[in-house]
Amino acid sequence: EVQLVESGGGLVQPGGSLRLSCVGSGFTFSNYWMTWVRQVPGRGPEWVASIKQDGSTKYYVDSVKGRFTISRDNARNSLFLQLSSLRGDDSGLYYCARWDYGNPWYWLDPWGQGTLVTVSS
Amino acid sequence: QTVVTQEPSFSVSPGGTVTLTCGLTSGSVSTTDHPSWYQQTPGQAPRTLIHSTNIRSSGVPDRFSGSILGNKAALTITGAQADDECDYYCLLHMGSGIWMFGGGTKLTVL
Repeated sequence: EVQLVESGGGLVQPGGSLRLSCVGSGFTFSNYWMTWVRQVPGRGPEWVASIKQDGSTKYYVDSVKGRFTISRDNARNSLFLQLSSLRGDDSGLYYCARWDYGNPWYWLDPWGQGTLVTVSS
Repeated sequence: QTVVTQEPSFSVSPGGTVTLTCGLTSGSVSTTDHPSWYQQTPGQAPRTLIHSTNIRSSGVPDRFSGSILGNKAALTITGAQADDECDYYCLLHMGSGIWMFGGGTKLTVL
């Protein structure tokens, strides 16, 4: 079974940092682009960042550029998101997802269950 | 900045047909935008329904279909059932590795 499991969320003060992790299983992790998506309860998801199979290419939504860093460790089937200079509007449920593909199309599947980040003093 | 748009809410009768759309505030949606659709029930992660404009994901009932209608991507539910009542989101590639979800449509079946 293809599965993604996130961890690392928690309560952090504004201006603080946090590192999220996601472990993939049931597929060859190194063959896929991976991504982080966040969602504030009651609102739609927001794509946050994506990373290429070898980590050489990364993309970010404008609102997190310079504050968040996406990375991966293919040897450990792991995806990471380093969150820094956190603000209240960074609070939400952070999902890890795999970019599935069928040349030339891409889509997100599967999704993890999410890890909750709360930025508050 | 171009934004992905969806109807905030829609209502359909049981057994009825409903089409939800996914557009852009500027320009038209095409297959090259990699339109995909996700279904989300309360407390759950999104589930992939449709990808590559019109391909149903594994296990998705054939009452769900995707298409391009005019200048928008569309998700059609034919023969709506009570458990189709939830939130639906589309995702589009905006270019240069940037992706954007629509704000979602809350579907009511009554």
